[in-house]
Amino acid sequence: QVQLQESGPGLVEPSETLSLTCTVSGYSISSGSGYYWGWIRQPPGKGLEWIGSIYHSGSTYYNPSLKSRVTISIDTSKNQFSLKVSSVTAADTAVYYCAREPGDYYVDVWGKGTTVTVSS
Amino acid sequence: QSALTQPASVSGSPGQSITISCTGTSSDVGGYNFVSWYQQHPGKAPKLMIYDVIKRPSGVSNRFSGSKSGNTASLTISGLQAEDEADFYCCSYAGSSTLIFGGGTKLTVL
Repeated sequence: QVQLQESGPGLVEPSETLSLTCTVSGYSISSGSGYYWGWIRQPPGKGLEWIGSIYHSGSTYYNPSLKSRVTISIDTSKNQFSLKVSSVTAADTAVYYCAREPGDYYVDVWGKGTTVTVSS
Repeated sequence: QSALTQPASVSGSPGQSITISCTGTSSDVGGYNFVSWYQQHPGKAPKLMIYDVIKRPSGVSNRFSGSKSGNTASLTISGLQAEDEADFYCCSYAGSSTLIFGGGTKLTVL
């Protein structure tokens, strides 16, 4: 059974960089099989926003509205992938989910989510 | 990219059927058969209910069904049950390997 677990600081200061890691268990990222590994966020009381995803080869795809501030990377040796969001503001406060996306564009496995608050 | 349009709320009585709409454009919903639906209970991660417009993952009740016409996709829940009360989100492929979500719909079971 595939499981995803987010980890990282719960509090980030404005203008700093938010960094999160997702650890995958029950499946080897390096096996490929057409899966993408992504990040989705949900501000308090609001809807879901797709941030971006990465393939095991390292190819990345980003939400155009966030592209200039977002970097997603992958470490197949650790079976992890990571998210960085630079120059954060209060608008980046959200629950951040890591997720698995099969090749035909949906999310079949979600992490439990981690809350990140941007505040000084 | 603008979020897909969903009604803010829908409601129904136990046993009834309800439909949630999800309207996009020809660049997302209308352009591809890659629409998915997610159920989210308070404080929980979303759960996949429908993918590829009409397909149901193993374990999801056949009371949930999906469809699409033009730029609008729909999720229908038949035989409404109390445990169906949740937020529902649609999602569509938007080209260039990107996804876009709807604003979400709160389902209330009366």
